[in-house]
Amino acid sequence: DAGITQSPRHKVTETGTPVTLRCHQTENHRYMYWYRQDPGHGLRLIHYSYGVKDTDKGEVSDGYSVSRSKTEDFLLTLESATSSQTSVYFCAISRSRDRAAGSYEQYFGPGTRLTVT
Amino acid sequence: AQKITQTQPGMFVQEKEAVTLDCTYDTSDQSYGLFWYKQPSSGEMIFLIYQGSYDEQNATEGRYSLNFQKARKSANLVISASQLGDSAMYFCAMREGRNTGNQFYFGTGTSLTVIP
Repeated sequence: DAGITQSPRHKVTETGTPVTLRCHQTENHRYMYWYRQDPGHGLRLIHYSYGVKDTDKGEVSDGYSVSRSKTEDFLLTLESATSSQTSVYFCAISRSRDRAAGSYEQYFGPGTRLTVT
Repeated sequence: AQKITQTQPGMFVQEKEAVTLDCTYDTSDQSYGLFWYKQPSSGEMIFLIYQGSYDEQNATEGRYSLNFQKARKSANLVISASQLGDSAMYFCAMREGRNTGNQFYFGTGTSLTVIP
């Protein structure tokens, strides 16, 4: 358990409305990630953060923005939700399992199921 | 090109038998990590096993082992003595480089069904 929570866990929204998903971690990890999971695509990286106010784009960043004003919170915003953004969204942190061996694993939050109608 | 390829969309195995889930990867980095995650029907992503590119021995974690063949760029997951609770989606993933924050790449997953 890496102390990651996501809110809300489920959300239904209408096309064109803004939506913000929250990821909260309690272990002071520097790196945080947002993924979306869709059938046939596995998990794809949307955005990630390597520190407070330091973020970068992932593979599928169009239509999404992020913010990280505190170490523990990483927010994902859909400025104007579209039906193609219906998905399950996972937040993750990167944690060292064996720093000497370079073993860094990602641990995931419980996910948020977002439906855009 | 896909970084991670899982060619088995679905697999079936008899309870108590062993099963191998295939994973091939593509990287030009010398240092990388390979991971397997399990996603049961409840939806959470559960870390199973890790293999570093410089590890000479195959990783093992209980009933899970990773068959690492570096020259073939394959990292197959072997589950021994399958149990009904092993029915889930399984994802192979890779992290290039040694940096904590390096991006992970995931495959499309294999759905495993354990038959009683």
